[in-house]
Amino acid sequence: AQSVTQPDIHITVSEGASLELRCNYSYGATPYLFWYVQSPGQGLQLLLKYFSGDTLVQGIKGFEAEFKRSQSSFNLRKPSVHWSDAAEYFCAVGAFGEAAGNKLTFGGGTRVLVKP
Amino acid sequence: ETGVTQSPTHLIKTRGQQVTLRCSSQSGHNTVSWYQQALGQGPQFIFQYYREEENGRGNFPPRFSGLQFPNYSSELNVNALELDDSALYLCASSPGTNSYEQYFGPGTRLTVT
Repeated sequence: AQSVTQPDIHITVSEGASLELRCNYSYGATPYLFWYVQSPGQGLQLLLKYFSGDTLVQGIKGFEAEFKRSQSSFNLRKPSVHWSDAAEYFCAVGAFGEAAGNKLTFGGGTRVLVKP
Repeated sequence: ETGVTQSPTHLIKTRGQQVTLRCSSQSGHNTVSWYQQALGQGPQFIFQYYREEENGRGNFPPRFSGLQFPNYSSELNVNALELDDSALYLCASSPGTNSYEQYFGPGTRLTVT
């Protein structure tokens, strides 16, 4: 069974500083990996995804993530944080196909606070 | 293009009651998945519907059931509500059961008292 761990529950970062959110996954096959963002009272918005190919993927809002198979990690980064980036961020691994159950498995999330 | 919509936005129910939540999928999407997000946690997969059939289920008891209609909209029904059912219920649609991208609605906040 697949699982996702986000080791940091909360991160506080100053506006303009860089941000890195950690994600470790466990999955027996080639993983389909995602990062979603959730603002208060909102649903989930897809930031970026990795299926195959280049291990550095670019997403929306200036975010990028790097897939490292040897470390089972898919960390999210942003070079310069804006106040509007304050939100909760979820890493997810996708399992698809009849045997896998067609689902996303999410980590527990990391809440990002941005200081002025 | 209309995104995923859910209704109602909030509702309050009493333990033991039954509830129905509704989801309209994004235009052109024939697959709907439901997730439960308890406070402070990540979403957990409940089940997925594809062409009106259940197409995958997570670790939820049978009192969680669903329907998908010919227009691909969907309902989540929960019977015999328990306090632990209080959560944000998220619906996600995708253009096919093998599509790896799911587009989420804003959710329904259910409070069970």
